[in-house]
Amino acid sequence: AQSVAQPEDQVNVAEGNPLTVKCTYSVSGNPYLFWYVQYPNRGLQFLLKYITGDNLVKGSYGFEAEFNKSQTSFHLKKPSALVSDSALYFCAVRASLYNQGGKLIFGQGTELSVKP
Amino acid sequence: SQTIHQWPATLVQPVGSPLSLECTVEGTSNPNLYWYRQAAGRGLQLLFYSVGIGQISSEVPQNLSASRPQDRQFILSSKKLLLSDSGFYLCAWSGHVIYGYTFGSGTRLTVV
Repeated sequence: AQSVAQPEDQVNVAEGNPLTVKCTYSVSGNPYLFWYVQYPNRGLQFLLKYITGDNLVKGSYGFEAEFNKSQTSFHLKKPSALVSDSALYFCAVRASLYNQGGKLIFGQGTELSVKP
Repeated sequence: SQTIHQWPATLVQPVGSPLSLECTVEGTSNPNLYWYRQAAGRGLQLLFYSVGIGQISSEVPQNLSASRPQDRQFILSSKKLLLSDSGFYLCAWSGHVIYGYTFGSGTRLTVV
């Protein structure tokens, strides 16, 4: 069965410091991996995805993520955090096999708090 | 370009009243459509998904139902709301498997 784990409910970072939001996954076949961000009372916004190719993926707002197949991880990173990055972040995985309506499996979310 | 519309943005309904939330997608055809509920501002629970007109898959037994009367229209309904139906409801669409979802802006439902 597919699953995604975000081991940290909350991550606290000082503005200007690097940030990492962790994600590990379990899926049969090759994974398609995604990160989304959600601001209060808003829908989820796409940040980046890994489908194939380079393990380091660059996305919106200066975020990047590193796909590590041996560790089944897809951690989200940013070299220098901004207060405006404070939000709820979701990792998601989709199996390469197109079944069950192509559902994304989401992690439980990590609340990122960036303090000035 | 593709867009997704979800309404209303907020809704306050009494217990026992009916519910109808609508989601429409523009700029694409035959999308996969999804309804999620987010409780307590955190985890996403997949409620229903649809791969075509009239095709609805339910993920969890509950007080809600979904319908897809047209290719780009997805409706979430209830005949009688419960307090536990309160939450933030999100509609999403997806195309090919290599793409993720595009989410609507959500509906905050409060059952009183």
